[in-house]
Amino acid sequence: KQEVTQIPAALSVPEGENLVLNCSFTDSAIYNLQWFRQDPGKGLTSLLLIQSSQREQTSGRLNASLDKSSGRSTLYIAASQPGDSATYLCAVFMDSNYQLIWGAGTKLIIKP
Amino acid sequence: DVKVTQSSRYLVKRTGEKVFLECVQDMDHENMFWYRQDPGLGLRLIYFSYDVKMKEKGDIPEGYSVSREKKERFSLILESASTNQTSMYLCASSLDDRGGYTFGSGTRLTVV
Repeated sequence: KQEVTQIPAALSVPEGENLVLNCSFTDSAIYNLQWFRQDPGKGLTSLLLIQSSQREQTSGRLNASLDKSSGRSTLYIAASQPGDSATYLCAVFMDSNYQLIWGAGTKLIIKP
Repeated sequence: DVKVTQSSRYLVKRTGEKVFLECVQDMDHENMFWYRQDPGLGLRLIYFSYDVKMKEKGDIPEGYSVSREKKERFSLILESASTNQTSMYLCASSLDDRGGYTFGSGTRLTVV
């Protein structure tokens, strides 16, 4: 059974720092992996989608990498800003059963 | 950009009431989903639909039903609301079967 883990559960860093959020999964037979952002009390915003055949995707200050064989993905945020404060969730799509499996999220706080 | 619109941001209902949560997407997506999100439990799939008039149970369908009469609209129905259905409800859609989800802004439902 696929399990998705995000460590740490919470992270606080000073503004301007580069940071990495981690997502690991136990079953490497994924179809794709998606990173989302959720602001308090709101819905989810899709940030990046990486297909299983890809190694990374970039959007602005965000870069997501995928190492399927080791069951890891990272979300790199460059030059963090207070507006980046949110909960970041990763989810993997399993082609075997058409299920999207979610991590519990990392709550990120960027201190001004 | 795809938009997924949930009709209410906040809703307060009484125990035993029949509750309708509406979700509309504007990009002709085939697939639509209803999740609930609770602290410590993450996102849990309630129901999903891959086509008009088609529905499939997710992980926690008990106490809920859905309706998809038109491609763009997916409604979640609480037949008789109970306090344990107090939660954040999130609707999502995707173009194909394999992820690339877009979420609505969520409905915070309180059952009193």
